[in-house]
Amino acid sequence: GAVVSQHPSWVICKSGTSVKIECRSLDFQATTMFWYRQFPKQSLMLMATSNEGSKATYEQGVEKDKFLINHASLTLSTLTVTSAHPEDSSFYICSARVPGQTTYEQYFGPGTRLTVT
Amino acid sequence: AQSVTQLGSHVSVSEGALVLLRCNYSSSVPPYLFWYVQYPNQGLQLLLKYTTGATLVKGINGFEAEFKKSETSFHLTKPSAHMSDAAEYFCAVSLSGNTPLVFGKGTRLSVIA
Repeated sequence: GAVVSQHPSWVICKSGTSVKIECRSLDFQATTMFWYRQFPKQSLMLMATSNEGSKATYEQGVEKDKFLINHASLTLSTLTVTSAHPEDSSFYICSARVPGQTTYEQYFGPGTRLTVT
Repeated sequence: AQSVTQLGSHVSVSEGALVLLRCNYSSSVPPYLFWYVQYPNQGLQLLLKYTTGATLVKGINGFEAEFKKSETSFHLTKPSAHMSDAAEYFCAVSLSGNTPLVFGKGTRLSVIA
């Protein structure tokens, strides 16, 4: 159980366009999801915490207007990179916790590789 | 504030040798501790976790870790490395269900035949 999926797994877009990444919890309802960004050979950097039915909480230094997060249902959170530029190219990973699970572990999606040309 | 330090960004071992990946944490309260593994272009998979109880924790793929409060450490070990263990390993800490995991910078494990 506790499976998280992401779509697409890989996307190329042109500079100036927007791209949407979906994160779904397949076998549980996630009131909270997390979005991370990972540069090559580096650790995960938390971008924002996505809360179902309310605004996301962004980490310091993350542009809210550039990285739009929508958590419209208990199984889906989306990250939209608006007006993408080559420096936005990265590996984006989402994760979620199972409500009520007291061990606090996070279940991760397989990631989305974004390349902006 | 909580933080995680992983000593050694790259560890190389021979196949069959002991694997030791170091993790130290900083926390004002007893933390929950995790080790995750990441293979290239994939998400993170949980190897093992410490929450409460027994301080020696066994995980998947023959890995284990020991929580040592006095040393604020949670080192990951495996008696005999296998080629398939080559990956990136992340140590993480969490204080509560309302806060996201805080990750170390990761250690890349290479296994030499």
